[in-house]
Amino acid sequence: EAGVAQSPRYKIIEKRQSVAFWCNPISGHATLYWYQQILGQGPKLLIQFQNNGVVDDSQLPKDRFSAERLKGVDSTLKIQPAKLEDSAVYLCASSLETDTGELFFGEGSRLTVL
Amino acid sequence: GDSVTQMEGPVTLSEEAFLTINCTYTATGYPSLFWYVQYPGEGLQLLLKATKADDKGSNKGFEATYRKETTSFHLEKGSVQVSDSAVYFCALKDTGFQKLVFGTGTRLLVSP
Repeated sequence: EAGVAQSPRYKIIEKRQSVAFWCNPISGHATLYWYQQILGQGPKLLIQFQNNGVVDDSQLPKDRFSAERLKGVDSTLKIQPAKLEDSAVYLCASSLETDTGELFFGEGSRLTVL
Repeated sequence: GDSVTQMEGPVTLSEEAFLTINCTYTATGYPSLFWYVQYPGEGLQLLLKATKADDKGSNKGFEATYRKETTSFHLEKGSVQVSDSAVYFCALKDTGFQKLVFGTGTRLLVSP
């Protein structure tokens, strides 16, 4: 069974530039999550989708971050404009059911903002 | 709000040593508790979980017991291997909330 796919694995940009990350969840998983993991910290949930709809985006900085999940499958997370403090690993995860806490993570996309 | 506190690392052990990684939590409800592991170059993966008090989760020789009286979920393994070197994350999911809350992670380094 294919796992969660993310791209790109690494991205270096200058502040005020924009960047987009892509995620393809495990086939059949209705729930998709984007987490931000800053160095030395645990992953923090940015946004959670259930199929096409947003379940929780309370910690998403909406002035610069946006995410969409078209057709309930792939998802894209965008940052525009980027700030230095956005340097982090962006983790995508998916789950078959929402309530179990059993998430399957991709390898992450490491963003460096200079 | 809900939170998880883990011991700081790195934890450095020799092969076959006993491992304990401490984890305590704060939650308003009756959370489920998890340990996730991240091996070098890989994504996080679920190691074990427990859904109610006194439950013991176990997998790959690792164990953790859900202690409500001490709000703890310490990870243990009797004999670690070099291949156990990774970062271990304690996490909780409270009742009524769908968000998984992670601790800061503890790096384990096992030498031959």
